[in-house]
Amino acid sequence: AQSVSQHNHHVILSEAASLELGCNYSYGGTVNLFWYVQYPGQHLQLLLKYFSGDPLVKGIKGFEAEFIKSKFSFNLRKPSVQWSDTAEYFCAVFSPSGGSYIPTFGRGTSLIVHP
Amino acid sequence: DAGVIQSPRHEVTEMGQEVTLRCKPISGHNSLFWYRQTMMRGLELLIYFNNNVPIDDSGMPEDRFSAKMPNASFSTLKIQPSEPRDSAVYFCASSLVGQVAAYNEQFFGPGTRLTVL
Repeated sequence: AQSVSQHNHHVILSEAASLELGCNYSYGGTVNLFWYVQYPGQHLQLLLKYFSGDPLVKGIKGFEAEFIKSKFSFNLRKPSVQWSDTAEYFCAVFSPSGGSYIPTFGRGTSLIVHP
Repeated sequence: DAGVIQSPRHEVTEMGQEVTLRCKPISGHNSLFWYRQTMMRGLELLIYFNNNVPIDDSGMPEDRFSAKMPNASFSTLKIQPSEPRDSAVYFCASSLVGQVAAYNEQFFGPGTRLTVL
């Protein structure tokens, strides 16, 4: 079964600091990769996604992620965080299973940005 | 489009009662997912449907949980009888899944916060 690991459970930063959140998955074949964000009290929203092509993916609000196939990783980055980035971040992987694609989410990383 | 619609938004019930959560996916989407989110276990996939057919229900915790999708625009998740450990936020999400799985972006509803006393 597919597994998704987010190594940082809680991250606390000051505004303008750089951010990198780790995500590793276990399946070695073709996968679709996603980062979702959940702002306090809200539902999950898509930040960015990777299906194929350029492994450096740019998403909304200045976020980007890099797919490194050899490391089974899809880390999320932002050069300069803002207070409004305080949220829970989820990495998700779609991988094939039984003729369809199954989503697996990481446990999430809680990011707190101090003004 | 109104997005994925879930009802109720909040539900408080007593142990042993039946609970029914409802979801209306985005029109035109052909896949629907039910998730449970708790502090202890994070976001867990309970079941998902493709074209109204349950594809994978291995995440359903036990026989007390059941889900149906009678048509493309409606799904229910039922818990009977409910227990305090079922307290969580339940999310429904929908997606348009193509043959090459190139459209796996999921759109999430606002969730139902369930409290079982």
